[in-house]
Amino acid sequence: DVKVTQSSRYLVKRTGEKVFLECVQDMDHENMFWYRQDPGLGLRLIYFSYDVKMKEKGDIPEGYSVSREKKERFSLILESASTNQTSMYLCASSLRQGASPLHFGNGTRLTVT
Amino acid sequence: DQQVKQNSPSLSVQEGRISILNCDYTNSMFDYFLWYKKYPAEGPTFLISISSIKDKNEDGRFTVFLNKSAKHLSLHIVPSQPGDSAVYFCAASSNQAGTALIFGKGTTLSVSS
Repeated sequence: DVKVTQSSRYLVKRTGEKVFLECVQDMDHENMFWYRQDPGLGLRLIYFSYDVKMKEKGDIPEGYSVSREKKERFSLILESASTNQTSMYLCASSLRQGASPLHFGNGTRLTVT
Repeated sequence: DQQVKQNSPSLSVQEGRISILNCDYTNSMFDYFLWYKKYPAEGPTFLISISSIKDKNEDGRFTVFLNKSAKHLSLHIVPSQPGDSAVYFCAASSNQAGTALIFGKGTTLSVSS
């Protein structure tokens, strides 16, 4: 079974802090993704990566950056956290692009005060 | 502009009856469609998928129907069980490089006993 592990289940940060969300997958998947889930808005894609050191912007990349230095690890960075970034953050991986299911981690509930 | 739409935010069904969740899409390049189920405080889990070369795919109590001309798909759950109560997300993608899954906003299904 694919395992996608997000380092924290809950995080509370202050406005203006730099925040790192870490994600690791153990199935040698090429592709990794960061989504955020908000009530009434569904899952929105922030960034994704289809190879080490490669990244692509999703629908809502503003205020975020990512890092993929190793195949198994994909980090989401909030350069200067703001209250509108309070959300559930979901990491996912897939074997290939397009027609391939995503496997999700359990999410990180981030609260920015 | 939403490419994947789930127009019903919620659905209530009695145990043993059929649940029908609907999804519409606008992008004619989409050729792969998936349904995910999500419980609170957990990541979404993959349920069932269908490619555009088919119009039906079945897995136990779950069946997905695809109507390409109407750009519409639906998920049927028969019979519904209380454990099916969750948020269901429809997702779509094309098989092109550089693309990621696009999700709808979700439908909350409540199955009462």
